[in-house]
Amino acid sequence: GAVVSQHPSRVICKSGTSVKIECRSLDFQATTMFWYRQFPKQSLMLMATSNEGSKATYEQGVEKDKFLINHASLTLSTLTVTSAHPEDSSFYICSARVSGGTGGLEAFFGQGTRLTVV
Amino acid sequence: AQSVTQLDSQVPVFEEAPVELRCNYSSSVSVYLFWYVQYPNQGLQLLLKYLSGSTLVKGINGFEAEFNKSQTSFHLRKPSVHISDTAEYFCAALGGYNKLIFGAGTRLAVHP
Repeated sequence: GAVVSQHPSRVICKSGTSVKIECRSLDFQATTMFWYRQFPKQSLMLMATSNEGSKATYEQGVEKDKFLINHASLTLSTLTVTSAHPEDSSFYICSARVSGGTGGLEAFFGQGTRLTVV
Repeated sequence: AQSVTQLDSQVPVFEEAPVELRCNYSSSVSVYLFWYVQYPNQGLQLLLKYLSGSTLVKGINGFEAEFNKSQTSFHLRKPSVHISDTAEYFCAALGGYNKLIFGAGTRLAVHP
């Protein structure tokens, strides 16, 4: 199947700093990428939908100024957590869909990023 | 409302025993259904999917699932589990705007 690479897998940052997480589709083009947040022992919560070349669409309750999403190319989307605070500590996961056709129905996931804000 | 319900939060089972993880979806979601597995501190891996056709779907690692439209269910089964199957399992359906709607997850714990 298609491969989505997410980097870094683990990051520790100081409160007040910003952290960037990258999500790359390695062997396919992804018009749409999704960013999720997962709390311990819980399901995935969709944060935003990222479309190449346009502004991301954020879910209700997600602060767009805090979680900046950029989808500059068909293979790369980034999530920047700005002015991070301890409550932003979480597991962040991206996913991507193959552009077009029935392949667009299946989502492929990155390995996730464990963010710890101290 | 669009929803996916996983009826069991935890399922303990002995090694080599059969297992069924239950999933029901609301009629308001599409019938594009998926099962994903998540190992600790990792992303999600697709086990199997139902898009159309045969209602019995076979996936990786010996898992299979049956789509039942009348019961709005998509239960996951494996005839004989291994210790390595211990993980979190998520059922998902494609909802509006092509967003995946996830169930709460089922923790499968396989004991020797």
